[in-house]
Amino acid sequence: AQSVTQLGSHVSVSEGALVLLRCNYSSSVPPYLFWYVQYPNQGLQLLLKYTSAATLVKGINGFEAEFKKSETSFHLTKPSAHMSDAAEYFCAVSDEGTALIFGKGTTLSVSS
Amino acid sequence: GAVVSQHPSRVICKSGTSVKIECRSLDFQATTMFWYRQFPKKSLMLMATSNEGSKATYEQGVEKDKFLINHASLTLSTLTVTSAHPEDSSFYICSARDIRLAISHNEQFFGPGTRLTVL
Repeated sequence: AQSVTQLGSHVSVSEGALVLLRCNYSSSVPPYLFWYVQYPNQGLQLLLKYTSAATLVKGINGFEAEFKKSETSFHLTKPSAHMSDAAEYFCAVSDEGTALIFGKGTTLSVSS
Repeated sequence: GAVVSQHPSRVICKSGTSVKIECRSLDFQATTMFWYRQFPKKSLMLMATSNEGSKATYEQGVEKDKFLINHASLTLSTLTVTSAHPEDSSFYICSARDIRLAISHNEQFFGPGTRLTVL
């Protein structure tokens, strides 16, 4: 069964600093990979997704993620954090036709 | 495009009553919809997979008789929490997968969620 691990339940950065949120998946076959953001009491918003077209995926709000098969990783990055980036971030994995399986989430805090 | 709505967004009910939550895909058809449950500060837990015209597939540990799922059309799935108790209080989120899988790359589109509080 697919699984995804997000290292670090809480990440704190200063405004303008690099954001790095880690995600590792378990799969022998490259799966579909996603990053979602959730603001308090709201649903999920898709940041970006990997579908094997390109290993470096650019998403919304300046986020990007790189698929590294050798490391089974799909880490999320943003060069310069904004206060508005403070939220909960979820990495998710799925195979063709199956439900998304979510990681436990990482809370991103941004300080001024 | 690819909008999913949920109704109601928030519901408070008394213990022992039943609550129905609707999930609609507004601008696409979805043969498959998913229901998730999210506890505070926790991740999303898949409860069941809802397929149009057939019985839902429940994840291990989810009570079928407690959480009734109906997927009557390509744009509507409902989750009914029967005889709700305070421990059923949670944030319920649905998602829908576009019938055109190849186009959507297996992406699921999420509803805004329903906050259920059982007193």
